[in-house]
Amino acid sequence: AQSVAQPEDQVNVAEGNPLTVKCTYSVSGNPYLFWYVQYPNRGLQFLLKYITGDNLVKGSYGFEAEFNKSQTSFHLKKPSALVSDSALYFCAGWDAGKSTFGDGTTLTVKP
Amino acid sequence: EAQVTQNPRYLITVTGKKLTVTCSQNMNHEYMSWYRQDPGLGLRQIYYSMNVEVTDKGDVPEGYKVSRKEKRNFPLILESPSPNQTSLYFCASSFAVGTEADTQYFGPGTRLTVL
Repeated sequence: AQSVAQPEDQVNVAEGNPLTVKCTYSVSGNPYLFWYVQYPNRGLQFLLKYITGDNLVKGSYGFEAEFNKSQTSFHLKKPSALVSDSALYFCAGWDAGKSTFGDGTTLTVKP
Repeated sequence: EAQVTQNPRYLITVTGKKLTVTCSQNMNHEYMSWYRQDPGLGLRQIYYSMNVEVTDKGDVPEGYKVSRKEKRNFPLILESPSPNQTSLYFCASSFAVGTEADTQYFGPGTRLTVL
């Protein structure tokens, strides 16, 4: 069985500062990991994914994530936050069709 | 335009009255899935389908039924809705095949209230 955890319910950063949204995982086989973003009153949008290969994954809107096997983490990062990045972020794992999401982290970027 | 559509977008109903939420995708995806989103609980998978006529339970299947008679459609059926099924529901589809994962594309959501 797989599990995904997002240890922070809320992350607050100032515009222009770097941001990190944390995710840890537990899977029995090869990890397939995703980040999605949800803006208010909208569906989820894909940001990036780790399937195999390079541990640093680049995605949409300037986001990137680092897969760390030893720490079982897949943290989402961005070098310089924008107010428009404020949203709800979900980390997700996938295992042969079963999809497990973290509880979500609300990111607030203040001007 | 490539998309996942859900209908209805909003529904208020009463306990015990059967309802169906439709989901359709135009991307020729093999994989489709239903989720419910509740505050503080993230998204929880209800059912998923790897292909036509193949469906499997997710983490919270109780009280729900699905069918996959054609590739593009994956309706969610609540035979006897109860108030604890009040939630925001999302349908998603993906090119994922077998054990190979791929990005999921989500519909706009259906907000269901059961009185």
